[in-house]
Amino acid sequence: AQTVTQSQPEMSVQEAETVTLSCTYDTSESNYYLFWYKQPPSRQMILVIRQEAYKQQNATENRFSVNFQKAAKSFSLKISDSQLGDTAMYFCAFMDNQGGKLIFGQGTELSVKP
Amino acid sequence: GAVVSQHPSWVICKSGTSVKIECRSLDFQATTMFWYRQFPKQSLMLMATSNEGSKATYEQGVEKDKFLINHASLTLSTLTVTSAHPEDSSFYICSASLLLASGNYNEQFFGPGTRLTVL
Repeated sequence: AQTVTQSQPEMSVQEAETVTLSCTYDTSESNYYLFWYKQPPSRQMILVIRQEAYKQQNATENRFSVNFQKAAKSFSLKISDSQLGDTAMYFCAFMDNQGGKLIFGQGTELSVKP
Repeated sequence: GAVVSQHPSWVICKSGTSVKIECRSLDFQATTMFWYRQFPKQSLMLMATSNEGSKATYEQGVEKDKFLINHASLTLSTLTVTSAHPEDSSFYICSASLLLASGNYNEQFFGPGTRLTVL
């Protein structure tokens, strides 16, 4: 069974600084998707970034980028130029491409301080 | 982008009553819908997966008679919490996904969630 682990329950960063959130996963699949979701206080789940396992190039979305290490089963999220609006819970998630189920990590609560 | 709505956004009910939560995909036909439960400061826990026109598949430990799921159309799934008790108080989130022509899934689209409080 697949598992996703986020080992940082809480993190904080100063506004405009860079922060990296860690995520590791375990799977025997070769083809899958990895996601980072943001859940602000409104609790609406917002997709931050998606990585397809067969793509070697790391995904980027504006200030958000990932470091995808397939062999190490690591998928970290880097947030550059942190903004107050980035304060939220961040979840790493794994999806196989057959049943479409998402497996979530425990979450990292990020606080951006002015 | 794909939009998923949930109704109601919050509900308070008395112990022993049943509550129905609706999940709708507004601008696409969802092959599969998922129901999650989330406690404060915790992760999302998958409760069940439902496909249109067939019975839901429940995760281990989830009582199917307590949490009734109906997926009557490609745009609507409902979760009914039967004989609700205070321990059923939680945040319930649905999501919807689309089976691609390739036969694969590649994303889930989330509703805004429903906060249930059972008194």
